[in-house]
Amino acid sequence: KAGVTQTPRYLIKTRGQQVTLSCSPISGHRSVSWYQQTPGQGLQFLFEYFSETQRNKGNFPGRFSGRQFSNSRSEMNVSTLELGDSALYLCASSSGTNTEAFFGQGTRLTVV
Amino acid sequence: QQQVKQSPQSLIVQKGGISIINCAYENTAFDYFPWYQQFPGKGPALLIAIRPDVSEKKEGRFTISFNKSAKQFSLHIMDSQPGDSATYFCAARSIGGSQGNLIFGKGTKLSVKP
Repeated sequence: KAGVTQTPRYLIKTRGQQVTLSCSPISGHRSVSWYQQTPGQGLQFLFEYFSETQRNKGNFPGRFSGRQFSNSRSEMNVSTLELGDSALYLCASSSGTNTEAFFGQGTRLTVV
Repeated sequence: QQQVKQSPQSLIVQKGGISIINCAYENTAFDYFPWYQQFPGKGPALLIAIRPDVSEKKEGRFTISFNKSAKQFSLHIMDSQPGDSATYFCAARSIGGSQGNLIFGKGTKLSVKP
């Protein structure tokens, strides 16, 4: 079974630009969650989607948004990028509530 | 109340030794406590997890000890190997919450010296 796939692996963007990251969950998994990982703040929950609906949201500004498609693939978008948005963005998939979460390798975003 | 406090930040252990990482929490609504292992350039991988109705869970060389009254849990790595060198994260999830909303500790960087 293929794991969680995140694309692209690396991105360099300029301040003020926007970016879209993609996540393909494990086949059959309907829940996709996004996390931001930085050396200072560690792993922080961004949001979770289940069956195309946002189920949970972390404490991030509205510049961070996401969506999930009918095939469970998910995208997250960050608009008006700031230097502080430089981070590893991780996607995790699970089959639903009370099940294990499996992480992808992440997308390393650098904002210059 | 939503925090999970993890210690130490870094740990150096000799090969064959026991590595111990501790986590503490305040929120009594947490009902699931996983540990993740992360190698450089990789995403976190689930190692082992425990629920508060048991005090200990063992999988191979990895053991979670859970103290509900003290609101603490710890990871023990027996016979530590250089290949165990990685960053370890504890996490917690609220009752009724989904796996998508895990609260993570800040991580412990483990180095196992040969």
